[in-house]
Amino acid sequence: DAGVIQSPRHEVTEMGQEVTLRCKPISGHDYLFWYRQTMMRGLELLIYFNNNVPIDDSGMPEDRFSAKMPNASFSTLKIQPSEPRDSAVYFCASSFLQAPDLELFFGSGTQLSVL
Amino acid sequence: AQSVTQLGSHVSVSEGALVLLRCNYSSSVPPYLFWYVQYPNQGLQLLLKYTTGATLVKGINGFEAEFKKSETSFHLTKPSAHMSDAAEYFCAVTRMNRDDKIIFGKGTRLHILP
Repeated sequence: DAGVIQSPRHEVTEMGQEVTLRCKPISGHDYLFWYRQTMMRGLELLIYFNNNVPIDDSGMPEDRFSAKMPNASFSTLKIQPSEPRDSAVYFCASSFLQAPDLELFFGSGTQLSVL
Repeated sequence: AQSVTQLGSHVSVSEGALVLLRCNYSSSVPPYLFWYVQYPNQGLQLLLKYTTGATLVKGINGFEAEFKKSETSFHLTKPSAHMSDAAEYFCAVTRMNRDDKIIFGKGTRLHILP
């Protein structure tokens, strides 16, 4: 398996534009997580899915953020409209999340810059 | 609620010296504990984990960590630092239930001095 695949690796956009980040989890994993990493706040959990269903979105900062998982092999995180404070690295991770496994497998991240 | 505190956002050690990265957790039930490592421009990868059983856990690249319930700690150590250990290290906690999210600490950047 190629691991968790995120696209794009880098995204530069202007304030007010819509941004869509994409993630393909590892085949067979039933949990998918979206994290945001910044210098100020570290690694924040935004939302996670189990079997394509959102379980906890309490970390989504505002209504401008939305996430979907239409099937087991694809998820998107959308920001509309984007703002400069959304600039961060966004990670997707997948897992079985069953004891004693519990390992999260991370993608390489999307570096988002909102000008 | 669970939480993780990593003491020191930056730690510097000389090559060949002992590495000690501190992590304290808070959990109302027995926890699962993890250390992840992040190299520049990469995602996080699992270094080691404690679930049940032996409290001293060995991971990749010569790292180990000891779960101390009385101290609510899970400190990461390596006897002799190598230049390739320079990275950011994250401690994480979850409870022993499915559907419980994994909570990460803010990370400790390890610098290795030649």
